[in-house]
Amino acid sequence: EVQLEESGGGLVQPGGSLRLSCAASGFTFSSYSMSWVRQAPGKGLEWVSYISGNSGSIYYADSVKGRFTISRDNAKNSLFLQMNSLRDEDTSVYYCARGSTIAGRAVEYWGQGTLVTVSS
Amino acid sequence: DIQMTQSPSSLSASVGDRVTITCRASQGISNSLAWYQHRPGKVPKLLIYAASTLQSGVPSRFSASGSGTDFTLTISSLQPDDIATYYCQKYNSAPFTFGGGTKVEIK
Repeated sequence: EVQLEESGGGLVQPGGSLRLSCAASGFTFSSYSMSWVRQAPGKGLEWVSYISGNSGSIYYADSVKGRFTISRDNAKNSLFLQMNSLRDEDTSVYYCARGSTIAGRAVEYWGQGTLVTVSS
Repeated sequence: DIQMTQSPSSLSASVGDRVTITCRASQGISNSLAWYQHRPGKVPKLLIYAASTLQSGVPSRFSASGSGTDFTLTISSLQPDDIATYYCQKYNSAPFTFGGGTKVEIK
């Protein structure tokens, strides 16, 4: 069974940093692309970042480019999102997401999400 | 960047009704489009990929079509379980933008 478990969310002041982690199990982690998707309170889904299985392809939404860094450790079946220079508008539930077996960049599995609140 | 526009933003329909949601890309994306269902309190669920291919386990009342810039998701007979917000997402190239969502309610 595919499982994705996020951690690292919490309350942080504007300008601060936070590192999200996602522990993956139930599949061969290195074979799948991974993404971070977020949802601000009362808003829709927003794609944040993508990383291919071997970390060879990495992409970011314009809203986070230069502030967020996605990475993965295939030996530890873990995905990360380093978030710097956080802004009020980064307040969201952040989902760890695994790519589809067939349509690689579509999201087939989602974690339960971790809440990040940016507020003074 | 390519923009993804969904319509309507919300709709109310009766159980058994046929419901259609539209997603339009500002430029062609071939068939690199996915549809997701996001029920309240749940995580999003992949319904459709490659514009029209039903994900395993998804009820057959869901169908989708389209290519290029115009796409549709259809629920042939709306059920109470289908109350959710539905999103399209392009995945041909980054950014992998979601549409704004369509909230489906029961009348």
